[in-house]
Amino acid sequence: AQSVAQPEDQVNVAEGNPLTVKCTYSVSGNPYLFWYVQYPNRGLQFLLKYITGDNLVKGSYGFEAEFNKSQTSFHLKKPSALVSDSALYFCAVRPYDMRFGAGTRLTVKP
Amino acid sequence: DTGVSQDPRHKITKRGQNVTFRCDPISEHNRLYWYRQTLGQGPEFLTYFQNEAQLEKSRLLSDRFSAERPKGSFSTLEIQRTEQGDSAMYLCASSSDMTEAFFGQGTRLTVV
Repeated sequence: AQSVAQPEDQVNVAEGNPLTVKCTYSVSGNPYLFWYVQYPNRGLQFLLKYITGDNLVKGSYGFEAEFNKSQTSFHLKKPSALVSDSALYFCAVRPYDMRFGAGTRLTVKP
Repeated sequence: DTGVSQDPRHKITKRGQNVTFRCDPISEHNRLYWYRQTLGQGPEFLTYFQNEAQLEKSRLLSDRFSAERPKGSFSTLEIQRTEQGDSAMYLCASSSDMTEAFFGQGTRLTVV
């Protein structure tokens, strides 16, 4: 069965600094990997995905993620964090049903 | 297409009652997922359909929970004999084979 792990419950960064939110996965076969963001009292919003092709994928709001097959990782990154990026971030894996990680709360301080 | 819709948005029920939620996926999507989410936690997988076939069901799910997707279109999730621990947000999502999952706004269940 597939699973994802988000090893950090909380990530704190200063505005303008780069941010990384970590995700590792376990799946049989080729993984489909996703990042979602959730703002308070809002639904889950899709950020980006890796299905095939270039290991570096770019998504919404300046976010990107790098698929690393040897390390089974799919870390989310942004070169310069904004206060408005503060939210809950979830990594997810497929190829069959979709399983989510426990989430990482990102706080960007001014 | 207006996206994934869920009904009702909110449900308050007394312990022991049965409740049923409905999800209308994006029309061309063959995959449909149900999740449960509590505050600050990740979506907990409940069950998954590919067209009308229910292909996976969480082992955490008791036999009080059942889901259907007749004709591969809308889906229903029923909880029988509700308990206070069932209080949560119930999320539905749909996708095609190569797309991300699109989520509905959820149904918030409160069991009193």
